[in-house]
Amino acid sequence: GEDVEQSLFLSVREGDSSVINCTYTDSSSTYLYWYKQEPGAGLQLLTYIFSNMDMKQDQRLTVLLNKKDKHLSLRIADTQTGDSAIYFCAERSGYGGSQGNLIFGKGTKLSVKP
Amino acid sequence: KAGVTQTPRYLIKTRGQQVTLSCSPISGHRSVSWYQQTPGQGLQFLFEYFSETQRNKGNFPGRFSGRQFSNSRSEMNVSTLELGDSALYLCASSLARGEHYGYTFGSGTRLTVV
Repeated sequence: GEDVEQSLFLSVREGDSSVINCTYTDSSSTYLYWYKQEPGAGLQLLTYIFSNMDMKQDQRLTVLLNKKDKHLSLRIADTQTGDSAIYFCAERSGYGGSQGNLIFGKGTKLSVKP
Repeated sequence: KAGVTQTPRYLIKTRGQQVTLSCSPISGHRSVSWYQQTPGQGLQFLFEYFSETQRNKGNFPGRFSGRQFSNSRSEMNVSTLELGDSALYLCASSLARGEHYGYTFGSGTRLTVV
């Protein structure tokens, strides 16, 4: 079945770059997403990438997609303490065609040390 | 513009009771999806409504049900509550169906079953 996998924890120092990795299984996914969840809050859509792109940059965020290996990464440049949160990778399920539900990874908890 | 509003924010219920959670999408958004978030299982899709019709359903027992009203507001109901239903229930709205439309999530309803 469809699955999304991420490492559970990442710890970095303030000012360093953070790289969060994700692998997915559904090769028909045409959009892949990164969401952020802060304590006690819902999910915030950070960015997404279309499957015909290799890279997408949005201010401090860079998304890299290796479609052959089904590998997605999120790089946060100049990581700040306010970036401490859980980051979820998500793909859209093939069920229902392009209108399927989101399938999320378990989330990567990013801790930023001052 | 107001975001996705979920009420109530917190609920404590007893095993065997039933509960109704409410979600008001962003104005103009017609698609509403529900997800359950638990520490063990992560984020799992419950169902999606569009134009008052359930369009997609996740793998949950029939005790979980939902509906959508003509103003796109949605409710989900859980009957005969079990301890394992304790979770954060997240609602997400989107302009329409289709993966190029991003989802905006609410802050969730934290349900505790005792």
